[in-house]
Amino acid sequence: AQSVTQLDSQVPVFEEAPVELRCNYSSSVSVYLFWYVQYPNQGLQLLLKYLSGSTLVESINGFEAEFNKSQTSFHLRKPSVHISDTAEYFCAVSDLGGSYIPTFGRGTSLIVHP
Amino acid sequence: ETGVTQTPRHLVMGMTNKKSLKCEQHLGHNAMYWYKQSAKKPLELMFVYNFKEQTENNSVPSRFSPECPNSSHLFLHLHTLQPEDSALYLCASSQDVIGSVEAFFGQGTRLTVV
Repeated sequence: AQSVTQLDSQVPVFEEAPVELRCNYSSSVSVYLFWYVQYPNQGLQLLLKYLSGSTLVESINGFEAEFNKSQTSFHLRKPSVHISDTAEYFCAVSDLGGSYIPTFGRGTSLIVHP
Repeated sequence: ETGVTQTPRHLVMGMTNKKSLKCEQHLGHNAMYWYKQSAKKPLELMFVYNFKEQTENNSVPSRFSPECPNSSHLFLHLHTLQPEDSALYLCASSQDVIGSVEAFFGQGTRLTVV
């Protein structure tokens, strides 16, 4: 069975500063990896995902995440955040060969200050 | 608009009440899910339906009873709940139950048990 660890429950940053939200996973098989974002009073929305190929994946709003197999990590980064990026971010993993249901982390609250 | 609609958005119920949560998806997906989201805890998968058949029941207490009359609708019937059942209940759908596809979430029902 897979598991996901999001070490930071809350990350406060100032607007236009860079940010990294950490995600580590454990699994005995190859995985698919996802980042979802939840804005206040909304459901989760897919931000980006890694299925195969290039280990660096990007979203349309400037976020990127890099799959690091040796470190079993999939950290999310943005070089310059905006107030509108304030939200809860969830990392999720699903096994290629096992359970198709993704396992979610507990979430990281990104708080962008002006 | 994510294509997944949940009603009601907010619900307050007593421990002896019976209520139902409704979820509807207009995406033509074959799989639907119920998740429980409690503060600072990982999303907890409750039930999975694939082509109207229940494929997962994640050890959920019997006071939660799902119903899936067709691939577009999913209900969660509630009775004799406990205060610790207070949480955000999220419905999601996906095209199939394979690990590489993304899930589309509704905005959730904020449930308070008094």
